[in-house]
Amino acid sequence: EPEVTQTPSHQVTQMGQEVILRCVPISNHLYFYWYRQILGQKVEFLVSFYNNEISEKSEIFDDQFSVERPDGSNFTLKIRSTKLEDSAMYFCASSEAAWVPQYFGPGTRLTVL
Amino acid sequence: DAKTTQPTSMDCAEGRAANLPCNHSTISGNEYVYWYRQIHSQGPQYIIHGLKNNETNEMASLIITEDRKSSTLILPHATLRDTAVYYCIVRVPLGGAGSYQLTFGKGTKLSVIP
Repeated sequence: EPEVTQTPSHQVTQMGQEVILRCVPISNHLYFYWYRQILGQKVEFLVSFYNNEISEKSEIFDDQFSVERPDGSNFTLKIRSTKLEDSAMYFCASSEAAWVPQYFGPGTRLTVL
Repeated sequence: DAKTTQPTSMDCAEGRAANLPCNHSTISGNEYVYWYRQIHSQGPQYIIHGLKNNETNEMASLIITEDRKSSTLILPHATLRDTAVYYCIVRVPLGGAGSYQLTFGKGTKLSVIP
């Protein structure tokens, strides 16, 4: 069964450093998403991406964040200058269309020191 | 998206049916009911969704009341691996005032007991 994959599974970085989290969505999916979950808190939407542009973003997704689909398979989330409060699990998701179920990857645990 | 109300936690004996309720009394006519679950800190896993009619798949059944103000997710024969947090989410499909995002609440922590 096709799955969303994410790398790395755990990323440790120093405050102020840039990180790139990578995702490979399910191959025939056209819509891509990033969510995050701070430890012990709810899963929060960050951004959705379709047709090579952002279709929706939340208040969390400020200028420090960016997304890109650099090739036909990868979807990345970049945090330019990490802060302590960026420590969280980051989940990538994808869907065939906008109004059908989204399928999530296993997540990347980001720890900012 | 309409708000949902779920119990904070529930227990279920292994092998028995787990019935997880969700109240969505302010749901509007075109909002779908989605269920996801999250096992420990893994990514949310899609279970099932529906609009009006009851739905069944290989994982679960979804029963939606006639007035659509509440629903129940049924896991017919719960196993220890079904221990997870279960999220009920209502969502407007795009094309109206819909949004791409899934809005997760706190969900119901289901513990399956041997």
